[in-house]
Amino acid sequence: AQSVTQLDSQVPVFEEAPVELRCNYSSSVSVYLFWYVQYPNQGLQLLLKYLSGSTLVKGINGFEAEFNKSQTSFHLRKPSVHISDTAEYFCAVSDRIETSGSRLTFGEGTQLTVNP
Amino acid sequence: NAGVMQNPRHLVRRRGQEARLRCSPMKGHSHVYWYRQLPEEGLKFMVYLQKENIIDESGMPKERFSAEFPKEGPSILRIQQVVRGDSAAYFCASSKYTDTQYFGPGTRLTVL
Repeated sequence: AQSVTQLDSQVPVFEEAPVELRCNYSSSVSVYLFWYVQYPNQGLQLLLKYLSGSTLVKGINGFEAEFNKSQTSFHLRKPSVHISDTAEYFCAVSDRIETSGSRLTFGEGTQLTVNP
Repeated sequence: NAGVMQNPRHLVRRRGQEARLRCSPMKGHSHVYWYRQLPEEGLKFMVYLQKENIIDESGMPKERFSAEFPKEGPSILRIQQVVRGDSAAYFCASSKYTDTQYFGPGTRLTVL
């Protein structure tokens, strides 16, 4: 069985500061990894994904994440945040086994609050 | 290319009534997934469907919940005899292949 742990439930930062949202996963098989963002009362928007290839993945809105297989981590980073980045961020994992489908297992979410 | 569509966006039901939630996947996507987000919690997988087939329903409650994805029309998540504990946001996602899922805006169900 897979599991995802987002190590911080709340991350407050000041505008223009760097931020890192931490995500660790456990799985007995190879995985795909995702970060989604959810603004209040809205659906989830895909920020970025790791399927294969380079372990450093760049996404939308200036975010990036690095897949570290040995540490089973997929931390999300942004060098300088804006007020508009305030939202809930979810890390998710799915199996790389196509025949079994790709249902996502989500972490509990990290609320990022950017203060002026 | 329109995204994943869900309707209604908000649904209010009284205990014992039925709730029907609809999901139209993105054009060209044949895989549909339903997830539930309870208040103050993350998203939990419910069911995975392809056209006319339920592939994985391991996350569905054993009673009162059912899902379908007919050959024509949207996918439907049906909850019979709703209870207050069913109040949640229900999200549909679709994918073209079995890797990246794109989510709809969700249906927020309130049971009075």
